[in-house]
Amino acid sequence: EDQVTQSPEALRLQEGESSSLNCSYTVSGLRGLFWYRQDPGKGPEFLFTLYSAGEEKEKERLKATLTKKESFLHITAPKPEDSATYLCAVQGPGYALNFGKGTSLLVTP
Amino acid sequence: EAGVVQSPRYKIIEKKQPVAFWCNPISGHNTLYWYRQNLGQGPELLIRYENEEAVDDSQLPKDRFSAERLKGVDSTLKIQPAELGDSAVYLCASSLDQRNEQFFGPGTRLTVL
Repeated sequence: EDQVTQSPEALRLQEGESSSLNCSYTVSGLRGLFWYRQDPGKGPEFLFTLYSAGEEKEKERLKATLTKKESFLHITAPKPEDSATYLCAVQGPGYALNFGKGTSLLVTP
Repeated sequence: EAGVVQSPRYKIIEKKQPVAFWCNPISGHNTLYWYRQNLGQGPELLIRYENEEAVDDSQLPKDRFSAERLKGVDSTLKIQPAELGDSAVYLCASSLDQRNEQFFGPGTRLTVL
């Protein structure tokens, strides 16, 4: 059975203080690993898809990396507007997305 | 380009009452998903459609939940009768096909009293 574990559950950063969020997974036959951002009262917003170990993708202050067992979302010099819940999901052979519980990020000025 | 549209945004009902949610996906997206998200949890898939065919409904509680996607465009998810444990946010998502990234609507927050 697919499993996705995200850590930490919550993270508080000062503006400009870089950090990383972790997503550990087990899946038989990874088709893709997805990162989403979710603001309160809204649906998840797509950020990245990673398909194979060693792959990296960047968008503004965010950089996602993938190994065979985990993915990291690195946040460089975060701003208060980066505050949100970040969700990781794996897609296995059946194409369904299996989500983790998310990391709630708060960036304070 | 318009995103995924869902209605209503909020719904409060008494237990044992029926409720329905509507979703209009992004134009041209063949795959449509319904998810349920409980507080502090990630979304959990209820059903996936490829055009008008339900291809994965293994997590849909079929005794009280039903869904349809007539003409392969918009979709309706129904609960009858609702139970207290059904209180959650119901999210609709769509993608070009099953391999591509999914785009989510704003969700419907259901409260069952």
